[in-house]
Amino acid sequence: EVQLVESGGGLVQPGGSLRLSCAASGFTFSSYWMHWVRQAPGKGLVWVSRINNDGSTTTYADSVKGRFTISRDNAKNTLYLQMNSLRAEDTAVYYCARINYGSNSASDYWGQGTLVTVSS
Amino acid sequence: DIVMTQSPDSLAVSLGERATINCKSSQSVLYSSTNKNYLAWYQQKPGQPPKLLVSWASTRESGVPDRFSGSGSGTDFTLTISSLQAEDVAVYYCQQYYSSPLTFGQGTRLEIK
Repeated sequence: EVQLVESGGGLVQPGGSLRLSCAASGFTFSSYWMHWVRQAPGKGLVWVSRINNDGSTTTYADSVKGRFTISRDNAKNTLYLQMNSLRAEDTAVYYCARINYGSNSASDYWGQGTLVTVSS
Repeated sequence: DIVMTQSPDSLAVSLGERATINCKSSQSVLYSSTNKNYLAWYQQKPGQPPKLLVSWASTRESGVPDRFSGSGSGTDFTLTISSLQAEDVAVYYCQQYYSSPLTFGQGTRLEIK
């Protein structure tokens, strides 16, 4: 059974940092591209970042470029999102999601999400 | 960036009736070399992550009831629920994966009338 389990969310002050993790199981993690997608409270879905299967190619939304870094450890079957210089507008539930085929296809599995709250 | 616009923002339909949600992209998401539309539909229930219903505009995912169907091409797409069930109450999103940044529609909230 495919499972994605996020962790690392919490309350952080503006300007602070957090590292999110997404533990993957039930599939060959190293074969799949992965996304981070976020959802502010009561709002819609917003794509944050994407990484290829071996970690050599990354892309970011303009709103997080230069502040967030996506990475992965295929030996540990884990995806990461390092978030620096956090702002109030980064407050959201952060989901990791698997891209079901190659680099450009839909996301067939999602984690339950981890809540990040940026507030003083 | 490709802007995805859904209509309506909310919809109330009687049980057993048809529900139709529209999605329009600001540019075509039909990739000529593959002749595929890079468009997905997701369902999100309260407190849950999104669930993939339809990919490539019209390919229903395994396990998704056949009352859900996707159609359209180019810039105009539709998700149809042929006979609304109580468990279909949710917010529905379209998403384009034709180009980066991936973008979602604003969501359509579906309720029972």
